[in-house]
Formats: sequence, structure tokens, C-alpha cells
Amino acid sequence: EVQLVESGGGLVQPGGSLRLSCAASGFTFSDYYMDWVRQAPGKGLEWVGRTRNKANRYITQYAASVTGRFTISRDDSKNSLYLQMNRLKTEDTAVYYCARDTMAVAGNYYYYGLDVWGQGTTVTVSS
Amino acid sequence: EIVLTQSPGTLSLSPGERATLSCRASQSVSSNYLAWYQQKPGQAPRLLIYGASSRATGIPDRFSGSGSGTDFTLTITRLEPEDFAVYYCQQYGNSLYTFGQGTKLEIK
Repeated sequence: EVQLVESGGGLVQPGGSLRLSCAASGFTFSDYYMDWVRQAPGKGLEWVGRTRNKANRYITQYAASVTGRFTISRDDSKNSLYLQMNRLKTEDTAVYYCARDTMAVAGNYYYYGLDVWGQGTTVTVSS
Repeated sequence: EIVLTQSPGTLSLSPGERATLSCRASQSVSSNYLAWYQQKPGQAPRLLIYGASSRATGIPDRFSGSGSGTDFTLTITRLEPEDFAVYYCQQYGNSLYTFGQGTKLEIK
């Protein structure tokens, strides 16, 4: 079964840091780009950023709202995706989802939307 | 940044009716990178449509997508009770993804 499971959420004070993890299973993780998407309470979806795969030099891209504060990384040997969040603000309070993106293999690229999502992990930034 | 504007904000319909949801982009979007998602309360989003008109795996054929350029539409024929949810469009362009603000489809 194709699955993504996030962990690491919790309560953190403004200015603090938190690291989220996303464990992937059931597919060849290293073949895919991976994304983080968040949803503030009662609000819509906001794309946070994504990482390409090794074949595409692990290039990362971020939304303007998190650039310089958040870092996406991955460990293909552990089938894991990470989101390091620094200098957190109250407006970063949200459910954070990881999602599977483009499949990029042997110079070919296949985009089928963000087709697999985790269940989400909740981050609350509050004093 | 490409801004996606969805309309209406809320759509009130009855089971069995047809739903038409709109997504308008602030500039032209590649159809290859226009997707639609469904989200129910307390759940993660679920991919419905990718490439503007291709149904994702397991999505019933009452869901269809169309459009190009700056105007895209999600149509749900013969609404089922489980279709009442929030729907988001999403695009990829200029190295960024953006989502629309969502359309809530509610039971009339």
C-alpha cells in the first residue's frame, strides 16, 4: 500500500524551531519529487515547498511566506522527507501534509498531481 | 505568482443535481499542471483531476475537468451525498504551486 505518514508536530513558542518528518512506503521514494502543503485552522490549502529527487540534484523550491525560514530535505535511504522550520511565527500554525509529486526517472517526467497525501501533523505556534 | 480564484465560494445543491465549479487564473496556466482536489472535514485532500481533464485513479466518471489558458471547470454530474465537500484547484507555474481558495459544496 502506498502510504505517507507525518510526525513531529506539536506546540512551539514563537521564534522556536521544529522538525517534521514524513515516512514513505509502498513506492520507490527516490523516483519522486516530494512536497509539503499546510492548512491553517479553518483556512484553505497553502503550498509550502518541494524537493526534487537525486537525479534532479535535490533542488528545493519554497513559497515566499517560508523562504529563508523553512528547509526541506530528504533521506532516500530511509524513505523519508523532512521539513525543518525555524523562526516560527504564530501564522505558521497549521496542519502540515506531505504529498507525492512528479515522478522523474531516466530523464522522463510524469506529473499526475499531488496524488498521495499523508494524514497531516499539527503544528501550533503560541506563547 | 499566479493567483487562482475559485467561484462560487459556496454552492448549495441537492443530491442528483449537477455541480459546476470554476477556477480562473491571473495568467495563463499550462493545462498539464492544473489539478483539482476534494477535501472533507478532518481529512487530507484527495486528488480528483490532473492535467486539467484526466481523472485520478479510482475517481468516478461523474467527475470531469475541462478548460485551458486561464479558465478551468470541474463538473460533477448527478451529485452523490459523499460529494459534499470543499474543492480546490491548483496549478504549477514559475517554479511555484498555488491553490485556489476553495469552493464549498453544501447540501441544499
